Amino acid sequence: GQNIDQPTEMTATEGAIVQINCTYQTSGFNGLFWYQQHAGEAPTFLSYNVLDGLEEKGRFSSFLSRSKGYSYLLLKELQMKDSASYLCAVMNSNYQLIWGAGTKLIIKP
Amino acid sequence: IAGITQAPTSQILAAGRRMTLRCTQDMRHNAMYWYRQDLGLGLRLIHYSNTAGTTGKGEVPDGYSVSRANTDDFPLTLASAVPSQTSVYFCASSDQEGMGDTQYFGPGTRLTVL
Repeated sequence: GQNIDQPTEMTATEGAIVQINCTYQTSGFNGLFWYQQHAGEAPTFLSYNVLDGLEEKGRFSSFLSRSKGYSYLLLKELQMKDSASYLCAVMNSNYQLIWGAGTKLIIKP
Repeated sequence: IAGITQAPTSQILAAGRRMTLRCTQDMRHNAMYWYRQDLGLGLRLIHYSNTAGTTGKGEVPDGYSVSRANTDDFPLTLASAVPSQTSVYFCASSDQEGMGDTQYFGPGTRLTVL
């Protein structure tokens, strides 16, 4: 079967760094996406990785290891507005996104 | 309008009733998708359309139907609603249905079936 695993909830302090992990098993691989979703709102695109390595975008970075079926999202200099759920999704061989249940990130002052 | 709109924002529906959720995009994207999001579960694909005139079944299509008469609109119909269809429904679109194409989401419809 196809499976995406990520922690249910994480807590971090404002100004700190947090790493959200995602492991996956899918039928084929055409890239991995990270989305941010604030409570009651729609998911919004953060990053896309298809090759191994680190992609950096401002305070957010995303890493991929295809051989390990593993990705992480790194958030630096955390701000209160970063409190949200972070969704990991893998595009399978049919170009369909398989989604994890999301990681709820709580930022404390 | 810019992006994707969905209507209604929320709805309470009696079991057995028919309901159509509307989705419209103005980005001229070819591919459109319907997902449901339930607590503790990832987004699950209900139906999709790669281009106007074509549709396909996703992971959880039973009880739902879609049509794609033109590029902009992709309505989702529940023929006879049941309580297990209580969920938040998101419509999304992407330029193509292909590698790396980012999906953009509408604001969602919160549906409660009693």
